[in-house]
Formats: sequence, C-alpha cells, structure tokens
Amino acid sequence: GAVVSQHPSRVICKSGTSVKIECRSLDFQATTMFWYRQFPKKSLMLMATSNEGSKATYEQGVEKDKFLINHASLTLSTLTVTSAHPEDSSFYICSARANLAASGGSYEQYFGPGTRLTVT
Amino acid sequence: AQSVAQPEDQVNVAEGNPLTVKCTYSVSGNPYLFWYVQYPNRGLQFLLKYITGDNLVKGSYGFEAEFNKSQTSFHLKKPSALVSDSALYFCAVRHPGGTSYGKLTFGQGTILTVHP
Repeated sequence: GAVVSQHPSRVICKSGTSVKIECRSLDFQATTMFWYRQFPKKSLMLMATSNEGSKATYEQGVEKDKFLINHASLTLSTLTVTSAHPEDSSFYICSARANLAASGGSYEQYFGPGTRLTVT
Repeated sequence: AQSVAQPEDQVNVAEGNPLTVKCTYSVSGNPYLFWYVQYPNRGLQFLLKYITGDNLVKGSYGFEAEFNKSQTSFHLKKPSALVSDSALYFCAVRHPGGTSYGKLTFGQGTILTVHP
C-alpha cells in the first residue's frame, strides 16, 4: 500500500513552453501533497505544500506564477512549470501525506519516483 | 526552527562491515525523525522513523537507527553492509505544528558506497 506515482518520469521540452507533472496517490487519500526540487546529488528543496481544494502554500523564493500547483482531488496534484527555461531543468519529486487513518497517526509522507525535466 | 545535519558527504565501507551514517537534529519539542534512501534517478524510499517509544528503531533492509536525546542524534546503522546498500541517504525531521505542520526538513544527504 501507500504508493505514489508521478507522470511523466522524464520529459524534455523547449524553452518557453509549459510542462505539467502529475502526482497521484494510488491507494490512499492525501489531503496534502508536497512538491520538491532536487539538484544533482543534493538535498530536496521544498517548493510548495499543496492542499486539496485550496491554494498551494509556496516556500520563500519560489515563484508561484511560474510553478502552478493544482490539487483538485484527494488523489491528484499537478505541478505546471510555465514558460520553462534551461535553469528549470531538475528532478522534481512529490510526496503525499497520508491521513490519520491510513498512517496510524504518524501522517507519514510517501514519495513519488520523481520526474526528470530537461529544458532545451 | 527545525534543522537536520548530516556531517558526512560520503561514507565508504567494505562489504560485510558495519556501517553508520550520522545525523544530528535541532527541533523544538519532541522530534519526529525519518531516514530515507534514494537510488539514482529514483524517488525516496522510506527506511524507518522515530516517533516515540524505544530508542532503537528497526527498519527496512536490515537498517536500524538509535535515537539519542542527549546527543540530539539519530544515526543510521547496519551490522553488515551490502554492495546494494550503496545509495544516497537522507535524514529528515518533521515539523510538529503551526503553519509548517507536516513539512519535512531534510539533511544534505550522505552518499554511501559499499565496496566489494
């Protein structure tokens, strides 16, 4: 149980275009999902917290107009990188936080496999 | 503010030897601590967590970690390393409440290399 998927696993897009990344909790409901960005051999940087049915909360320094987050259902959150530039190339990882019943009270986060974005 | 430090960028051990990956933390209140492993181009896999109770926590793939409150440490250990354990390891602390409730703060990561 507690599987999180991401689609696509890797994507190459041209500079100036937009790309959407999906994060799904496959066998549990996730009121809250998190989006992270990871540079090569570096730690994860939290970009934003996505709450179902409400606006995402962005971390300081993350452009909310560039990284659009939508959490329309309890099992799906999407991250859209708008007007992508080569510096947006990175590994994007989402996590879904299980609710009280599914996590036995620990509200554990389950991570997706990541999406490798390359902007040319 | 919560913070996590992994003082070693890299740890090298020989297969069959015990391994330790270090983690220290700074939190207000009771810490919720986690260890994750990441293989190349993959997401994070949960290894183990400490919420409360026994200071020695056993997790996946034979890993364990010891919570030491006085030293504010949560080192990851395994009695006998395998080559397949070679990966990037992250220690994390979960924010206990307020507007940051549920967020994880990660350490900078430690690359573990197990030599045959």
